[in-house]
Amino acid sequence: DVKVTQSSRYLVKRTGEKVFLECVQDMDHENMFWYRQDPGLGLRLIYFSYDVKMKEKGDIPEGYSVSREKKERFSLILESASTNQTSMYLCAISFPGTTVNTEAFFGQGTRLTVV
Amino acid sequence: AQSVSQHNHHVILSEAASLELGCNYSYGGTVNLFWYVQYPGQHLQLLLKYFSGDPLVKGIKGFEAEFIKSKFSFNLRKPSVQWSDTAEYFCAVYKAAGNKLTFGGGTRVLVKP
Repeated sequence: DVKVTQSSRYLVKRTGEKVFLECVQDMDHENMFWYRQDPGLGLRLIYFSYDVKMKEKGDIPEGYSVSREKKERFSLILESASTNQTSMYLCAISFPGTTVNTEAFFGQGTRLTVV
Repeated sequence: AQSVSQHNHHVILSEAASLELGCNYSYGGTVNLFWYVQYPGQHLQLLLKYFSGDPLVKGIKGFEAEFIKSKFSFNLRKPSVQWSDTAEYFCAVYKAAGNKLTFGGGTRVLVKP
């Protein structure tokens, strides 16, 4: 079974705090993604990475940064949390390319509340 | 920028009715296409996927989808829904050039018993 583990299910942080969300996979997939899920807006891509130390901005990167020092770990960082970053955060992994199975596998999500 | 559009935000229907959810994407290159489902309180699960070959793909729980390349569409269908199909459905497009996986805004489906 593919395992994508997010470090916390629920987090409550104060405005201005630096927040780290961790995602760890055990399946040696190159691609890792961070999304936020908000009602009516679907899943919006924040950042993704296709290799160690490589990162690419998604559609809504403002206010976020990421780190991928090891293949199995992809961290999302909120430099200074704000209330509009209250959301469900989802990590996903997949293989690259289109000739292999590029199905994405998701973590259980982290519900972050910024107060 | 690549975008994925789902035409309906909310769909309400009765059991045994047929369901069709629209999905269009804007990217013209090589893509993989997916439909995911999220049941209340649960994780996202894969319903079906298209990589190549037969444009009509069958997934789990009686769902199918048709890829129409000329229309950049990948619509999801089920001939007869059940109450247990109440969920949110997401279309997703993976673009190999750039390794980007983009989701649509989702469609909430409520099936009345």
